[in-house]
Amino acid sequence: GENVEQHPSTLSVQEGDSAVIKCTYSDSASNYFPWYKQELGKGPQLIIDIRSNVGEKKDQRIAVTLNKTAKHFSLHITETQPEDSAVYFCAATRSGSARQLTFGSGTQLTVLP
Amino acid sequence: DTAVSQTPKYLVTQMGNDKSIKCEQNLGHDTMYWYKQDSKKFLKIMFSYNNKELIINETVPNRFSPKSPDKAHLNLHINSLELGDSAVYFCASSQEPTSGGASFFGPGTRLTVL
Repeated sequence: GENVEQHPSTLSVQEGDSAVIKCTYSDSASNYFPWYKQELGKGPQLIIDIRSNVGEKKDQRIAVTLNKTAKHFSLHITETQPEDSAVYFCAATRSGSARQLTFGSGTQLTVLP
Repeated sequence: DTAVSQTPKYLVTQMGNDKSIKCEQNLGHDTMYWYKQDSKKFLKIMFSYNNKELIINETVPNRFSPKSPDKAHLNLHINSLELGDSAVYFCASSQEPTSGGASFFGPGTRLTVL
């Protein structure tokens, strides 16, 4: 089955700096890669996703890149703000898997004011 | 509001008891899931239902039994609760099982077994 590794487990940045979280996956058949943000006491919330036919996707301060050959994808947050502080999860799945998401282990991002 | 909702939000109970968690989604999605998040925040799928039919059943003890009365509801019943069942349980839904559609998560149910 799929295995997703996520690094780093914790990340502290100064407000206004950029943050990068990296994930690798093992199943070359995986073709959908969402990122979730989980705030304290809440459920994971989808913030951006990318499909395998695309190399990069941006949404305001958030971007995701995908390297299918190397089987890794990354989340980039620019101009970080205190409200970006949360746990971020990457995930991977493939068509026909009933969207059975395999999650990374999470990154606790802390944005210091 | 369109969303995935779960009840209760908190559940504290004694070992050996039986409890249920309810989930409802009004997003019109075909597929619903139960995930377990342990104390280290690791998220792992437990079950997946598509149009009321079980399609994924990960290695979960038989004490856990999901039930889907209709495609908008997926409940989780747990028999003979054990200390190790303490976790946060998330219900989620997605549009299609095979293509498109992200998973949307409910707010979670924190289960504490004493």
